[in-house]
Amino acid sequence: EPEVTQTPSHQVTQMGQEVILRCVPISNHLYFYWYRQILGQKVEFLVSFYNNEISEKSEIFDDQFSVERPDGSNFTLKIRSTKLEDSAMYFCASSEKHPNDANTGELFFGEGSRLTVL
Amino acid sequence: KQEVTQIPAALSVPEGENLVLNCSFTDSAIYNLQWFRQDPGKGLTSLLLIQSSQREQTSGRLNASLDKSSGRSTLYIAASQPGDSATYLCAVGETEGNEKLTFGTGTRLTIIP
Repeated sequence: EPEVTQTPSHQVTQMGQEVILRCVPISNHLYFYWYRQILGQKVEFLVSFYNNEISEKSEIFDDQFSVERPDGSNFTLKIRSTKLEDSAMYFCASSEKHPNDANTGELFFGEGSRLTVL
Repeated sequence: KQEVTQIPAALSVPEGENLVLNCSFTDSAIYNLQWFRQDPGKGLTSLLLIQSSQREQTSGRLNASLDKSSGRSTLYIAASQPGDSATYLCAVGETEGNEKLTFGTGTRLTIIP
């Protein structure tokens, strides 16, 4: 069964370092997302991406964050200068159609990348 | 701002029992609602997606209902099994091109063998 894959599964970094989290969405999906979950808290939306551009972002997604689809398969989240509060599980998701499409819009999530900032 | 609440936060039931998990949301103008399962330290597994025009969806032993006007959804699990132990999350998809899902805090379910 097709699945969203994420690497690395766990990354430890020093505060101020740059981090890139990678995702391979399901191959025929067109919409891509990053969410995060700080330990013990809700899953929070970061950004959505369609047609090679950001379609929506949350207030969490500030100038320290960026997303890219460098080729036909990968979707990356970059954090330029990590802070302690960036420690969280980061989930990539994809959907075949727009979430508001009347027929579908189901999001499929990866296993997550756990980021620990020291 | 949409708020999603799930009650109870934790639930323990003996194996074989039927159970209901609750989800409520403050803004009834939603496009869809999705139920997920999350195992400890793992990702989110989609269980059921209900469009705003639908009242319920079923998959195997799972049945999800949606009452949009009252801002409520329930996830019914029949004949519970120890393998059903996990955290169950509901998330609402909002309107007007707003693609994000807003998640609840989840219900941690433990099925006692």
